[in-house]
Amino acid sequence: DADVTQTPRNRITKTGKRIMLECSQTKGHDRMYWYRQDPGLGLRLIYYSFDVKDINKGEISDGYSVSRQAQAKFSLSLESAIPNQTALYFCATRGGGDTEAFFGQGTRLTVV
Amino acid sequence: GDSVTQMEGPVTLSEEAFLTINCTYTATGYPSLFWYVQYPGEGLQLLLKATKADDKGSNKGFEATYRKETTSFHLEKGSVQVSDSAVYFCALRGAGANNLFFGTGTRLTVIP
Repeated sequence: DADVTQTPRNRITKTGKRIMLECSQTKGHDRMYWYRQDPGLGLRLIYYSFDVKDINKGEISDGYSVSRQAQAKFSLSLESAIPNQTALYFCATRGGGDTEAFFGQGTRLTVV
Repeated sequence: GDSVTQMEGPVTLSEEAFLTINCTYTATGYPSLFWYVQYPGEGLQLLLKATKADDKGSNKGFEATYRKETTSFHLEKGSVQVSDSAVYFCALRGAGANNLFFGTGTRLTVIP
C-alpha cells in the first residue's frame, strides 16, 4: 500500500457543487499539506496542518477548507466548486526536522 | 519572501546527452534545497537534497550543488536515459520553516 493515499484519483464535478478530496497516510507524520498543481505554475500550497488541532492557510486558501480528522487523515473541501479550481491536487506529509516530504499520487479534479 | 526560479521547459534531449536544469532561489538565511521528480501519472518523489552551502546532493546519476554565492542549485546528469523523462521541480524550505516552495517545474523528454 502507498504511504500517502488520495481519493478519488479523478473527479468531474459541476460548478456550484460541494466536493471533498481525502488523504490518508501511514507514515505516522504530524505534518500534512494540500497543494494544487497548475501548468506553468508549479505547486502552490493551499492549507497545512501540524497536528489535529492545528490548521494553517497557505498561499491560495480562498475557496477551500480543510479538516484534520485524525493524525492520519486530512481532507480538502471545495464548498462551491468553480471552473478555475480545475487542477491536479496533491496531499503530502512530512516528519519533523529536516525530513523529506512524501506525496500522494494526486487527484485530478475537473469543474465543468 | 522565499521563492524559487526554475529554468522553463520543455527540454528535449537525445539519450546519453548531458542535462542541466537551472534553479536559483531567494531566501533569508540558509534554506534547505531539494529536487523532486514527477513521473507520468505519479506524485512527486524526492530526487536529492542539500541542507547547507557547498553540499552536493546526488542520486540515480543526478547531482546538484548548493551554491550560496550564486544562490543556485542546478541539476545535472552526465548521460540521460529514456527512463529519466519526467517533470523536475526545484524546491526550498527556509531555515526553521515547515513549508516547501516549489519552482514551476521543467518537463524533460529523452528520445532514443
